[in-house]
Amino acid sequence: DAKTTQPPSMDCAEGRAANLPCNHSTISGNEYVYWYRQIHSQGPQYIIHGLKNNETNEMASLIITEDRKSSTLILPHATLRDTAVYYCIVGNGGSQGNLIFGKGTKLSVKP
Amino acid sequence: DTGVSQDPRHKITKRGQNVTFRCDPISEHNRLYWYRQTLGQGPEFLTYFQNEAQLEKSRLLSDRFSAERPKGSFSTLEIQRTEQGDSAMYLCASSPHANTGELFFGEGSRLTVL
Repeated sequence: DAKTTQPPSMDCAEGRAANLPCNHSTISGNEYVYWYRQIHSQGPQYIIHGLKNNETNEMASLIITEDRKSSTLILPHATLRDTAVYYCIVGNGGSQGNLIFGKGTKLSVKP
Repeated sequence: DTGVSQDPRHKITKRGQNVTFRCDPISEHNRLYWYRQTLGQGPEFLTYFQNEAQLEKSRLLSDRFSAERPKGSFSTLEIQRTEQGDSAMYLCASSPHANTGELFFGEGSRLTVL
């Protein structure tokens, strides 16, 4: 079973920041937090990952709480093309063979 | 396009028939993964290879399912005696050996069993 809890759906206005929460209270010390998204009828797309520190790349920012029990993915200026299902995953991709996806959060960006 | 390629993109078959899907990973990637996704659910892990070695198989991979990666490059996933419950999207992903957890997924092969 997935080790994360996410809201099933969220709405965001175009141009505003989208903040997607994720709870992972049972995360182990060597496990990373990964975020993927899946646009309708496409394969999942990697967004970002982190261990302890906050991370930022060209797509998004990842904020991980100090106790590592939750995190937030931030899309700073959401566009209609960001409408997708966003998956928060906890795992150790370096040594374990696979990532376990949950049901994710369906983000709808509205004009 | 140098991404992960899957073929066919769509397959409709009758119950009881065998089907085979092919995945061509990104050329320098050692690891190859198969996932299955049904409507409204996240992808479910099936199996993964490092080069030609199949290192892990999910309990979802029943004896009707077999995956191969004979030369450590492309992979095939065969489903024998298909059942209606096999209808799903079959996703392939690859990653480099020094895997940081970033998987590169293909567009998937959608199977419909009538």
